[in-house]
Amino acid sequence: AQKITQTQPGMFVQEKEAVTLDCTYDTSDQSYGLFWYKQPSSGEMIFLIYQGSYDEQNATEGRYSLNFQKARKSANLVISASQLGDSAMYFCAMRYYNFNKFYFGSGTKLNVKP
Amino acid sequence: DTEVTQTPKHLVMGMTNKKSLKCEQHMGHRAMYWYKQKAKKPPELMFVYSYEKLSINESVPSRFSPECPNSSLLNLHLHALQPEDSALYLCASSQVVGYEQYFGPGTRLTVT
Repeated sequence: AQKITQTQPGMFVQEKEAVTLDCTYDTSDQSYGLFWYKQPSSGEMIFLIYQGSYDEQNATEGRYSLNFQKARKSANLVISASQLGDSAMYFCAMRYYNFNKFYFGSGTKLNVKP
Repeated sequence: DTEVTQTPKHLVMGMTNKKSLKCEQHMGHRAMYWYKQKAKKPPELMFVYSYEKLSINESVPSRFSPECPNSSLLNLHLHALQPEDSALYLCASSQVVGYEQYFGPGTRLTVT
């Protein structure tokens, strides 16, 4: 069964605008973790932000913030003030089952237009 | 220092060859991972090492053989691979299993 779903295969955003990348997940665990990674065309996966299931506040890291809605099982990534260098593939990932299982969503390709 | 290094960057091997991929981290992390990533797909977890012991083997064929000689090093030994094994192989490490992972640049493997 699909554990992590990213419904936007590709998105465009104008430079300096904000963009939201969607991620929904499926788990019956109470304890889990959600991650977002960026993968430029060079191939390296870059860790962006983490949200724990018990964290009451939404995580933020610079221009990245995670809109965590536990009841809806969604963990959307918000990028503010998009830059050309933000053009990349973005993966949502979830850790569950006593910390040992880690799965990625199918990814969203973001293109930032000048 | 959040660097994970991988060698080689590119590897072309025949189906009868034996080769190894190498991964190294000096962040004091005690969990290390191997992933396989096909083009336009998400990474797929292959192996997890926790405190130098194999923690997870995600039903990977035996032609892939992982090894963790010490807490900083992770190898992936390859033998009798198939063309469909051609992919980007990513290594990652984390403080312990379950924490955020830091990835290396990957090895692009082509099996001919």
